[in-house]
Amino acid sequence: AQSVSQHNHHVILSEAASLELGCNYSYGGTVNLFWYVQYPGQHLQLLLKYFSGDPLVKGIKGFEAEFIKSKFSFNLRKPSVQWSDTAEYFCAVNKGSNTGKLIFGQGTTLQVKP
Amino acid sequence: DADVTQTPRNRITKTGKRIMLECSQTKGHDRMYWYRQDPGLGLRLIYYSFDVKDINKGEISDGYSVSRQAQAKFSLSLESAIPNQTALYFCATSDSRGQFFGPGTRLTVL
Repeated sequence: AQSVSQHNHHVILSEAASLELGCNYSYGGTVNLFWYVQYPGQHLQLLLKYFSGDPLVKGIKGFEAEFIKSKFSFNLRKPSVQWSDTAEYFCAVNKGSNTGKLIFGQGTTLQVKP
Repeated sequence: DADVTQTPRNRITKTGKRIMLECSQTKGHDRMYWYRQDPGLGLRLIYYSFDVKDINKGEISDGYSVSRQAQAKFSLSLESAIPNQTALYFCATSDSRGQFFGPGTRLTVL
């Protein structure tokens, strides 16, 4: 079945540690890729997205993600996390050229200790 | 995002009751979506609408119905609520830049 997998369900880091959250998808062909963040008690906000072009995408708040087509992956990274990055992170994929019908991964809860 | 609003924000109801969740947007987007979020499962698509006359089932539409009253309004109904519909429900709109989510409705079915 077509799916989006996030390997880490719960990650605990200390401030200033580096972050990498894995995301793999199983769709063939052209895909659009997204990372969303949900801070406690808030709605989802777009961190970054990949449609085409440079596979290294930079988003808000110092986050970046790299699309590796051969590995069907779109991992999220941040060199140095802050306590305020504590949130749940969702990878999402949609097929083709429109932005409808996102398929979400299960989510990764990140807890950053001060 | 203040441009996408949902009412109510919280609702507790009993099994068998009919419930309607409302979503309004001022973004002018044609495309609107309803998702539910459950712990460990991420967000799953219930229904989506690409314009006022276009309604489509998502991956978990059973037990739900929707109404697209206008470009700006997309309502989700639970005709006879059951406890496993207890979840956080999100409305979203989209354009070429991506999807934009409302603040969510926390629904508890007792």
